[in-house]
Amino acid sequence: DTGVSQNPRHKITKRGQNVTFRCDPISEHNRLYWYRQTLGQGPEFLTYFQNEAQLEKSRLLSDRFSAERPKGSFSTLEIQRTEQGDSAMYLCASSTLSGGGETQYFGPGTRLLVL
Amino acid sequence: AQKITQTQPGMFVQEKEAVTLDCTYDTSDPSYGLFWYKQPSSGEMIFLIYQGSYDQQNATEGRYSLNFQKARKSANLVISASQLGDSAMYFCAMRDSFGNEKLTFGTGTRLTIIP
Repeated sequence: DTGVSQNPRHKITKRGQNVTFRCDPISEHNRLYWYRQTLGQGPEFLTYFQNEAQLEKSRLLSDRFSAERPKGSFSTLEIQRTEQGDSAMYLCASSTLSGGGETQYFGPGTRLLVL
Repeated sequence: AQKITQTQPGMFVQEKEAVTLDCTYDTSDPSYGLFWYKQPSSGEMIFLIYQGSYDQQNATEGRYSLNFQKARKSANLVISASQLGDSAMYFCAMRDSFGNEKLTFGTGTRLTIIP
């Protein structure tokens, strides 16, 4: 049984560079979410997909951020022209509807540090 | 707007004692779900327990139980017989129809179990 996986686990980059993160959800889950967590805070919603369709984007997701889920399986989150304020943990979660409701299961996250 | 409040930034508890982590929420949606997640220092968010707004009984999962008081809009997590491995950050989260499918998280409580 494999859970949600994320790569890389850690990323250090210089300001202005582009970075891309990958998330592989639990195989039968059709919903995939991205959250961002800064130090001392709870995760904040960025965007979510149902299959390959991106259904909602937070206002936190500036024009420098783009997310894709091209075949309804894995997803990528790209940040262009990174800024120091982008330093955070980026968490991916997946879910599927079940009789008891929907529970989101999270991956280990990608820690981004922008120097 | 949905809101989750966790008023205890940190708690210290003796091993084997029970501990209650507080969570209050605010929503005008009659249909919502409440979740608790554990986040160890490794960063992964681990799902602990779920309570639906229409559930008649308080949720329980092993040593975890949820003290759900709907009229007071509180959903406190109770951990019985605490263990050293319970030391972590604990987040309360809510999903309602106004927020679509995303989770709204509180700021968390850092629980430290003392041997």
